[in-house]
Amino acid sequence: DIQMTQSPSSLSASVGDRVTITCRASQTISSYLNWYQQKPGKAPKLLIYVASSLQSGVPSRFSGSGSGTDFTLTISSVQPEDFATYYCQQSYSTPYTFGQGTKLEIK
Amino acid sequence: QEQLQQSGPGLVKPSQTLSLTCAVSGDSVSSNSAAWNWIRQSPSRGLEWLGRTYYRSKWYNDYAVSVESRITIKPDTSKNQFSLQLNSVTPEDTAVYYCARDRDGFDIWGQGTMVTVSS
Repeated sequence: DIQMTQSPSSLSASVGDRVTITCRASQTISSYLNWYQQKPGKAPKLLIYVASSLQSGVPSRFSGSGSGTDFTLTISSVQPEDFATYYCQQSYSTPYTFGQGTKLEIK
Repeated sequence: QEQLQQSGPGLVKPSQTLSLTCAVSGDSVSSNSAAWNWIRQSPSRGLEWLGRTYYRSKWYNDYAVSVESRITIKPDTSKNQFSLQLNSVTPEDTAVYYCARDRDGFDIWGQGTMVTVSS
């Protein structure tokens, strides 16, 4: 199975900060990397697919980059509604696997 | 509007079978460009992909090795839905279970079902 490792596990930020979350795959996955946001009691929400494509309806302050084994999710200016947990997921091969999550908290 | 609606019991006894259904609206379970997945989430295991069914001129399934001997995911084209059966459950199968459509990422999710395995 392909292991996905996110860092950091948690992150404190203020409204307006620029935030970057990283995700590393245990083997190359080309650009088959997706990012999700999850709020308590809710299903995950797709933000970015194939590493850098913005899902319809997602604000442009979210962006993704990377290929191969190293990927990043950036929020250019954190808004109050962005405080949540973020997950990466590889869709290169089954079994699809997720990172352990990064919790973005208010400073 | 595209939507997935889950149904099924929230409590299952050990050694019995967990059964959940996911009704699809706004799309077709027989679509040639989507796959229909079950994913679960627990504090100990995080988000865990369990398996999928999809149609590409014929039906295919893929399952996670961790549950491969106990799982069945089946489409029901007459009702435009798909189902999950997980046999011989133990308390380790306690989790929130989600169905999800995969069309360039898991773009549509069900509302989630908290399933507790307990006698």
